Amino acid sequence: ETGVTQTPRHLVMGMTNKKSLKCEQHLGHNAMYWYKQSAKKPLELMFVYSLEERVENNSVPSRFSPECPNSSHLFLHLHTLQPEDSALYLCASSQGTPSPGKLFFGSGTQLSVL
Amino acid sequence: KQEVTQIPAALSVPEGENLVLNCSFTDSAIYNLQWFRQDPGKGLTSLLLIQSSQREQTSGRLNASLDKSSGRSTLYIAASQPGDSATYLCAVSGNTPLVFGKGTRLSVIA
Repeated sequence: ETGVTQTPRHLVMGMTNKKSLKCEQHLGHNAMYWYKQSAKKPLELMFVYSLEERVENNSVPSRFSPECPNSSHLFLHLHTLQPEDSALYLCASSQGTPSPGKLFFGSGTQLSVL
Repeated sequence: KQEVTQIPAALSVPEGENLVLNCSFTDSAIYNLQWFRQDPGKGLTSLLLIQSSQREQTSGRLNASLDKSSGRSTLYIAASQPGDSATYLCAVSGNTPLVFGKGTRLSVIA
């Protein structure tokens, strides 16, 4: 089992679809993160969950809705997305906030919105 | 607001060269700084983490230094290999969770 697993690896969706991204960590960490990576831009932090409570919400549009049912699982629910939302979405986990230890990343979901 | 800058944006070197990647940040009130490696279309792999009280960390052919007062870090790669080709990102954590630079895209030519 790899440390942080993301599914699906690739996703193509229309602007009216609803889909969910899933992340699972097997490292016993207490914090989980969603990042967005677009071409030629730095990684953008979207959400942080610490001990299953959302502690950071970086002015993300409401069409992105996170869910953290337990310390090992993190979801990102998507609805009525825009083409500019096409990007690589990365999940990460760490031990400790606000001063995290090493972050461990999943392989990401490459999202294309048509 | 913390800003992280990485120079150069891209670098191409012949195999065997030693090289230095640079990272600067605007707010010196940090907890730690991390260097990551990212292969195309993949997630990030943590290489080194330097706590704010430390000056450097080493792992194999990699050495990262931190000068918090001047807001700078360097990643030194010794005896570069084609397998080192990737994008290298630095990130700092402080009053806000990790803030990333845009990365340096490294190509090591055999």
